[in-house]
Amino acid sequence: DIQMTQSPSSLSASVGDRVTITCRASQGIFNYLAWYQQKPGKVPKLLIYAASTLQSGVPSRFSGSGSGTDFTLTISSLQPEDVATYYCQKYNSAPRTFGHGTKVEI
Amino acid sequence: EVQLVESGEGLVQPGGSLRLSCTASGFTFSNYAMHWVRQAPGKGLEYVSAVNHNGGTYYVDSVKGRFTISRDNSKNTLFLQMGSLRTEDMGVYYCARGSDSGGNAPLDYWGQGTLVTVSS
Repeated sequence: DIQMTQSPSSLSASVGDRVTITCRASQGIFNYLAWYQQKPGKVPKLLIYAASTLQSGVPSRFSGSGSGTDFTLTISSLQPEDVATYYCQKYNSAPRTFGHGTKVEI
Repeated sequence: EVQLVESGEGLVQPGGSLRLSCTASGFTFSNYAMHWVRQAPGKGLEYVSAVNHNGGTYYVDSVKGRFTISRDNSKNTLFLQMGSLRTEDMGVYYCARGSDSGGNAPLDYWGQGTLVTVSS
């Protein structure tokens, strides 16, 4: 099975900082990569799919890039409401594994 | 408006059974793959099972032979029949919609989750 490795597992940054989270697949998955945001006590929310396509309604400070095995989620200017855990997920084939998550704090 | 509402929350002893339901509204249920994702207390998301629009199913290895996913398109409802439950099955179970009919699509809508507790 393809493993999804996220880094870092947690980070602390200041409001306005640029934040980057990486997700690495153990084998190539083309661009079948999604990013989800889960705020504390809330339901996960789809942010980005196809590695770089922003889901409708998601603020433009979020962006995604990558293809194959290496992917990145970037928050261009961190806001207080971005405090959450972020997960990547591969969906090219079963199992549609999630990464272990990156907790973002301010 | 797309809505997914789970039910079936409960406390069950190890080895017991529980059936979760997810009632969908706001979209043509039969056209979409549906998924179950779980989250143990304080842990990350774990993909559990899926059923595509024509009934094809998938299970993560840890639940194969114990869980059965099914759907009733006439009632816009997704089910997860869970048996031989273990303490490691405990957590919040989310139903989620795949963004197309097959399984290879992101999960664009999620239910609020339902809690499964496995304890003696």
